[in-house]
Amino acid sequence: DVKVTQSSRYLVKRTGEKVFLECVQDMDHENMFWYRQDPGLGLRLIYFSYDVKMKEKGDIPEGYSVSREKKERFSLILESASTNQTSMYLCASSRGQGAFPVEGYTFGSGTRLTVV
Amino acid sequence: AQSVSQHNHHVILSEAASLELGCNYSYGGTVNLFWYVQYPGQHLQLLLKYFSGDPLVKGIKGFEAEFIKSKFSFNLRKPSVQWSDTAEYFCAVAMGSARQLTFGSGTQLTVLP
Repeated sequence: DVKVTQSSRYLVKRTGEKVFLECVQDMDHENMFWYRQDPGLGLRLIYFSYDVKMKEKGDIPEGYSVSREKKERFSLILESASTNQTSMYLCASSRGQGAFPVEGYTFGSGTRLTVV
Repeated sequence: AQSVSQHNHHVILSEAASLELGCNYSYGGTVNLFWYVQYPGQHLQLLLKYFSGDPLVKGIKGFEAEFIKSKFSFNLRKPSVQWSDTAEYFCAVAMGSARQLTFGSGTQLTVLP
């Protein structure tokens, strides 16, 4: 069964801490994505990556950075966590570098981050 | 900015009622369209998709959606809902050559037994 695995299901961090959210996929997908999901706002794209060491800003990149040193791993970094970053974070991956894949994304189960 | 709108934020229906959830997008070019469903405590799952061809597409669990290009819409329908359809539903669009999806704000569907 193909998988996108997010390292933590629940996480509680203090304001100002540096936070790492890890995502690993075992499908050899080229594309990986980080979204945050908030009630009434749906999923908003933070960053994405089409290849190793490559990253592009999404719609809400402020306060976040990412790292993709290996094809299967895409990390989201909160340099200095703030309470407004309390949210559900979803990682997703998809194959291919041409036309959009017909199967869409494969999602991880999410990390619920609370910043206190 | 390109966007996806879901105007129904929360829909409450009784079992056996018919369902239609609206989805509109703002992009004039080629699109690939998706509906995802998230059952309580579970992953987002693909419900159905449209890439080309017949604008009426059928998905899992009796859901269908119709792409109306002139209205920039991709509404989700089901003739008779069940209690187990209680979930949050997200419309998502890949616009042009983009490899990322833009999601709507979601519609929470509650089906009363």
